[in-house]
Amino acid sequence: EVQLVESGGGLVQPGESLRLSCGASGFTFSTYVMNWVRQAPGKGLEWVSYISGSSSTIYYADSVKGRFTISRDNAKKSLYLQMNSLRAEDTAVYYCTRDGRGDVWGKGTTVIVSS
Amino acid sequence: DIQMTQSPPSLSASVGDRVTITCQASQDIGNYLNWYQQQPGKAPKLLVYDVSILEIGVPSRFSGSGSGTDFTFTISNLQPEDFATYYCQQYGSLPFTFGPGTIVDFK
Repeated sequence: EVQLVESGGGLVQPGESLRLSCGASGFTFSTYVMNWVRQAPGKGLEWVSYISGSSSTIYYADSVKGRFTISRDNAKKSLYLQMNSLRAEDTAVYYCTRDGRGDVWGKGTTVIVSS
Repeated sequence: DIQMTQSPPSLSASVGDRVTITCQASQDIGNYLNWYQQQPGKAPKLLVYDVSILEIGVPSRFSGSGSGTDFTFTISNLQPEDFATYYCQQYGSLPFTFGPGTIVDFK
């Protein structure tokens, strides 16, 4: 079964860091671009970051550029999002998604940034 | 960056109705347009990709059309399980961007 499972969310204070992980199974992970998408409480979807299969192309939304770092380990079939200098406005459910089509989504992991 | 707009922001409909949502891109995105459905508390689900191609397992009452900057998503014969929020997304140019969503609720 094709599956994505996010983990690593939690409650942190403003300015702190968090690392999200996304484990993939059921498909050849290294051949797919991957994305992080987030959804703040009661709000719409916001695309956050993109990484190509070989990690040669990486892109970020302006809202997280310079604070978040996307990476992947194809041997471990895992995608990561290192989030530094977290702000209240980063509070959201974070999803990892497969491909530009977003044909596979995880169930999400919740990040709450609050003092 | 490409901006995506959707209309209407919400609509009320009844079972059996035909529902149409429009999505407009600020620049030509070719055919790189997806439509997602999101139920409350759930992850979004891809329904249509590349403007008009139904994802495997998606009922044929869902359809998409358009090209360039103007796109349409239609649900014919609305079913109870279709009451949800729908988003368009362009993936023709990074950063990928979503429309603000359309809530389809009961009339």
